Amino acid sequence: NAGVTQTPKFQVLKTGQSMTLQCAQDMNHEYMSWYRQDPGMGLRLIHYSVGAGITDQGEVPNGYNVSRSTTEDFPLRLLSAAPSQTSVYFCASRTMKTDTQYFGPGTRLTVL
Amino acid sequence: GESVGLHLPTLSVQEGDNSIINCAYSNSASDYFIWYKQESGKGPQFIIDIRSNMDKRQGQRVTVLLNKTVKHLSLQIAATQPGDSAVYFCAENSQDSSYKLIFGSGTRLLVRP
Repeated sequence: NAGVTQTPKFQVLKTGQSMTLQCAQDMNHEYMSWYRQDPGMGLRLIHYSVGAGITDQGEVPNGYNVSRSTTEDFPLRLLSAAPSQTSVYFCASRTMKTDTQYFGPGTRLTVL
Repeated sequence: GESVGLHLPTLSVQEGDNSIINCAYSNSASDYFIWYKQESGKGPQFIIDIRSNMDKRQGQRVTVLLNKTVKHLSLQIAATQPGDSAVYFCAENSQDSSYKLIFGSGTRLLVRP
């Protein structure tokens, strides 16, 4: 299994641009989530999904959209990027049978 | 080994010594706790977890202790190795949903050769 994969690894955007961060997992996990990590801070939950077609907001959802059309994929969309969204973004997944989340390698996003 | 709380973000230990990383969690209703290790440029990696019906759990070279009375969690690493150098995060499940993990701000562990 590849586990949790994320693309791209690095991205630079200008203010107002849009983009989608990709996340995929091949472990058939029902639950997937997106976190952001800012310098000197822990991870903060943006959005999460407990299954295909179901999404919900986390701690810091503003400025981000998600969808879950398949079990494997959980893309995160920035409709109009802002400098405050400069961060490292992590996707995670887990099965509903356990509480252990598995994280992807992250996407480092810079918004100028 | 020296023990510190998360208000002191860096712990430096001698290789071979034991390390103790502490965490004060926020919600007395949380019933599941996890320790993650994050190496530079990588995503968090699961180390060990514990449920609130336990006060101690041991893994390979790691032990997690839970004191619910004072809402305190600690990670003990025995015989610390250079490969243990990383940032360590504690996380608790949120009060309103077992899906929402609340992370602490992290402690950096530096292992001196």
